[in-house]
Amino acid sequence: SQQGEEDPQALSIQEGENATMNCSYKTSINNLQWYRQNSGRGLVHLILIRSNEREKHSGRLRVTLDTSKKSSSLLITASRAADTASYFCATGGETSYDKVIFGPGTSLSVIP
Amino acid sequence: GAGVSQSPSNKVTEKGKDVELRCDPISGHTALYWYRQSLGQGLEFLIYFQGNSAPDKSGLPSDRFSAERTGGSVSTLTIQRTQQEDSAVYLCASSGSVVNTEAFFGQGTRLTVV
Repeated sequence: SQQGEEDPQALSIQEGENATMNCSYKTSINNLQWYRQNSGRGLVHLILIRSNEREKHSGRLRVTLDTSKKSSSLLITASRAADTASYFCATGGETSYDKVIFGPGTSLSVIP
Repeated sequence: GAGVSQSPSNKVTEKGKDVELRCDPISGHTALYWYRQSLGQGLEFLIYFQGNSAPDKSGLPSDRFSAERTGGSVSTLTIQRTQQEDSAVYLCASSGSVVNTEAFFGQGTRLTVV
């Protein structure tokens, strides 16, 4: 299975601190994506990193990808209470016929 | 529409009844996914449509579950003879034709089987 697995399952930090979440996967991928979910409803896409990229930034988000270790990390800098949500990594296979599979997610709580 | 639309947003049904959940993907998106999410859990893959290819049904939990996608657009997920363990949020997502691009999610249908 290409499924991603996030680590830790839950994370609680103080506002202003940085939050780091990790994702590991099992098979070759075309890209890896991170999503955010508030209140158990629809997910929102945060960032996509392709297999030939090692690092990508978007605002306070920094994503790294290590294909040799089949792992990725999501760093949220200077966290805010509004960052409280569940974060999921998703891996896309190498062809358009490969479905995108989500990991179980990391629940982040940012305490004001 | 501008985004992925799912209906109904909430559905309460009696055990044993059939239900149909609808998903309107973003126009032009060739890929469409159905996922299921139980309270506090991750996303469980159910079924994947990609263009005119045969759907990937490998995630459907039993033969009570089926889905179709008509005309490459609207999709309906049908659950027959609902059971209490079917209670969950059912999420639909669509994405474009380029390999595994960003998926856009609907707000989901919360199904409660009583």
